[in-house]
Amino acid sequence: AQKVTQAQTEISVVEKEDVTLDCVYETRDTTYYLFWYKQPPSGELVFLIRRNSFDEQNEISGRYSWNFQKSTSSFNFTITASQVVDSAVYFCALSGNDMRFGAGTRLTVKP
Amino acid sequence: KAGVTQTPRYLIKTRGQQVTLSCSPISGHRSVSWYQQTPGQGLQFLFEYFSETQRNKGNFPGRFSGRQFSNSRSEMNVSTLELGDSALYLCASSLEFPNPARELFFGEGSRLTVL
Repeated sequence: AQKVTQAQTEISVVEKEDVTLDCVYETRDTTYYLFWYKQPPSGELVFLIRRNSFDEQNEISGRYSWNFQKSTSSFNFTITASQVVDSAVYFCALSGNDMRFGAGTRLTVKP
Repeated sequence: KAGVTQTPRYLIKTRGQQVTLSCSPISGHRSVSWYQQTPGQGLQFLFEYFSETQRNKGNFPGRFSGRQFSNSRSEMNVSTLELGDSALYLCASSLEFPNPARELFFGEGSRLTVL
């Protein structure tokens, strides 16, 4: 069975702080994909990144970076120098036959 | 390019009633997935349709059903509503199925309140 765990329900930081959102997954598949989505207050989830199970290279995109570690089944997301606009719910997801999402982490960035 | 459109955006129903929600995918997308989002359970997969056929189904009772039309538009129906069905129902479309690498494009959701 596939499962995604986001243990952090809510995180609150002050602007310019760095913050890491944790994601741990379970799957028996050897080929799979991991995703992060952002859900702003408007409701629609917005795609941030996709990683396949054979590519453990970390990725950086501006203030965002992702750390994929197969050995610990984790795919963590770090926002550097957070901004108020980063406030949202962030979902980690695992894709096999269908897309399974974690429970989400609500990030609040205070000015 | 228009995004995923869900209607209605908000609705209020009473227990025992039924509700139909609509989703128009991005033009050219043939796969439509439905998710239920609640504060306690997070995002839970309901079902996915591709080429008018249900391809996958989550762990929901038979009161939850759906269909897809030849133009890829999809509807989901919930019968005999219960208080616990109050949720944000999100629709997502994608180009392909099956393709685990596919990106899902989400609508803004239909927020259902059951009184």
